[in-house]
This record gives sequence, C-alpha cells and structure tokens, in this order.
Amino acid sequence: DVKVTQSSRYLVKRTGEKVFLECVQDMDHENMFWYRQDPGLGLRLIYFSYDVKMKEKGDIPEGYSVSREKKERFSLILESASTNQTSMYLCASSFLPGQEFMNTEAFFGQGTRLTVV
Amino acid sequence: GQNIDQPTEMTATEGAIVQINCTYQTSGFNGLFWYQQHAGEAPTFLSYNVLDGLEEKGRFSSFLSRSKGYSYLLLKELQMKDSASYLCAVRGLDYKLSFGAGTTVTVRA
Repeated sequence: DVKVTQSSRYLVKRTGEKVFLECVQDMDHENMFWYRQDPGLGLRLIYFSYDVKMKEKGDIPEGYSVSREKKERFSLILESASTNQTSMYLCASSFLPGQEFMNTEAFFGQGTRLTVV
Repeated sequence: GQNIDQPTEMTATEGAIVQINCTYQTSGFNGLFWYQQHAGEAPTFLSYNVLDGLEEKGRFSSFLSRSKGYSYLLLKELQMKDSASYLCAVRGLDYKLSFGAGTTVTVRA
C-alpha cells in the first residue's frame, strides 16, 4: 500500500514562529504536493514539485516555501507563522503522467491541523 | 491556471442516483480525477478520465467531455456511507493538480 506520512496530526505554534511540516512517501513518486484545506474553499495548492530540488508555485504560495532535497521527502515551511495560516495542511504524491500502465492518481497523507495563536 | 466549478451541496435518498457536475477552464489539460473525502479524513481516489467518454467502476461512473470542459460523477444505488464530499481535480500539462471546492452529498434514509 502507498503510504504518505505527515510528521504531525496536530500542531500549535505562536505567531512569528518558523514552522516546518514534513511529508514522506514510500512509493518512489516523482510528484509531490502541499495543499491547505479550509471550509468552503476546498483544497488550495500551495506548492508542488515534480523532481528533486524542483519546486513550482501553486495558487497560494505567499507566506510559504518548500524544500525537496530527497525524492521521498517534501517539506513545507512557514517562515513567520500568522493566524491566517491556521488550517488543515495536506500532502500528496503521485507518479508523473506519460508512463505506460502507471496509475497516476495522487495519494494523500492524513493531514496536519495547524493552529497559529 | 485552472478554474474548477462544482455544486456546493446535494441531497439524495438511499438507493437513488446522484450526478455531480464539474466544469473547468484550463490552459492545458492532462487528466481529470474524482476523489471522495469523509469528514475528518484524507481524500481517497475514485476515478480518472483523460479521454472523452464514460469510465465505470462498480456503483461509480465518471464522464468526460474535453471540448466542453465538463465532467460528471455518477453515484448509483446510494448508500448511507456515500455521504461525503466529492472533489473534482484537474491536472495541467505542467503536472499541477488543482481541485474544485468540493460537493457535499448527504444521503437520507
């Protein structure tokens, strides 16, 4: 079974703190994603990465950065946490399309509920 | 970028059929996915369409028309456990995967 593991289920941080959210996948997926999910807004893409050391901005990258030093690990960094970053954060991974007989759906971690106070 | 629209809520009776529509506008298309998400849980994959037509998987079917930027998810023989949010997602040529806001389906006895 594919496993996408996020380092914490629940996290409480103070305004201005630097926050690291870690995500590890064990399926050798090339593609990894970070989303935040808020009521009424659905899943919004923050950053994604289709290869080691590559990163692409999603729809709401402001206030976030990412790191992909190894294929299996994709980290989301909040440089200076703010209360409007209180949210559920979801990591996902998938194979890239174009490879015959490969399923390319994204698999999700269980999420990190981050509260910034 | 991608603009993905789906209804916010739908209600149906146990045993009935429900169709969830999704329309999208994208600068490049590389596949459409449907996910199910129960409250408090992570999304799980339901179906994938990259070519026009209908894909059937048990009680769930998904349809795609690329020229119309339109897809639907059909849920047949509804069960109480089908009460969940259903998310439409579009993958672009740049491998970006964007989601709609989701449709909450409530199944009533």
